Amino acid sequence: QTVVTQEPSFSVSPGGTVTLTCGLSSGSVSTSYYPSWYQQTPGQAPRTLIYSTYTRSSGVPDRFSGSILGNKAALTITGAQADDESDYYCVLYMGSGISVFGGGTKLTVL
Amino acid sequence: QVQLQESGPGLVKPSETLSLTCAVSGYSISSGHYWGWIRQPPGQGLEWIGDIYHSGNTFYNPSLKSRVTISVDTSKNQFSLKMNSVTAADTAVYYCARHPWGPGSFRFDPWGQGTLVTVSS
Repeated sequence: QTVVTQEPSFSVSPGGTVTLTCGLSSGSVSTSYYPSWYQQTPGQAPRTLIYSTYTRSSGVPDRFSGSILGNKAALTITGAQADDESDYYCVLYMGSGISVFGGGTKLTVL
Repeated sequence: QVQLQESGPGLVKPSETLSLTCAVSGYSISSGHYWGWIRQPPGQGLEWIGDIYHSGNTFYNPSLKSRVTISVDTSKNQFSLKMNSVTAADTAVYYCARHPWGPGSFRFDPWGQGTLVTVSS
């Protein structure tokens, strides 16, 4: 079964820019996988940030952006803030009705 | 405003069946979209369990398919999850979410608040 890969952890300085990626154990991610991104803080349900690769969910600041970088989906946070410190998950649609979550990236802002 | 609320027993014995319901308000399930279940074991990542359409069409995570049944009750505007033969590995927070499909739409949104189910004797 194909595994969706994410960096286990990442660190960014306040005000800095960070790019988290979402890849496949075999193959390349394209827009046809309709990548979406979610932010989760401890004890809370996930919050939708980006869907269908590029589209920001309602109310999400424009410092969050989605793209395809090389063979992976990417979430870029520009001007990181302290409250961006969260877990970030991507989901890929694999076809035939199957969705797969990545393992998540723990982002530290320090 | 669409809202989802999970409900069900918080404690299930090993080998028994886990049963949860997701009540939807602010939107009629019959209007469309898929509706999904996702779980998160303590301290771990998210795992998609499966989706259901208002017609009853379902898709399941292949790794859970043999133990999972998702059903829908449009008259009550809710959908349900049953997982049999549970073990401690099924201990998790279980979330329900609306899951729009289609180009430009794929996402889980909104999410319920989640409910913790512990498998223990």
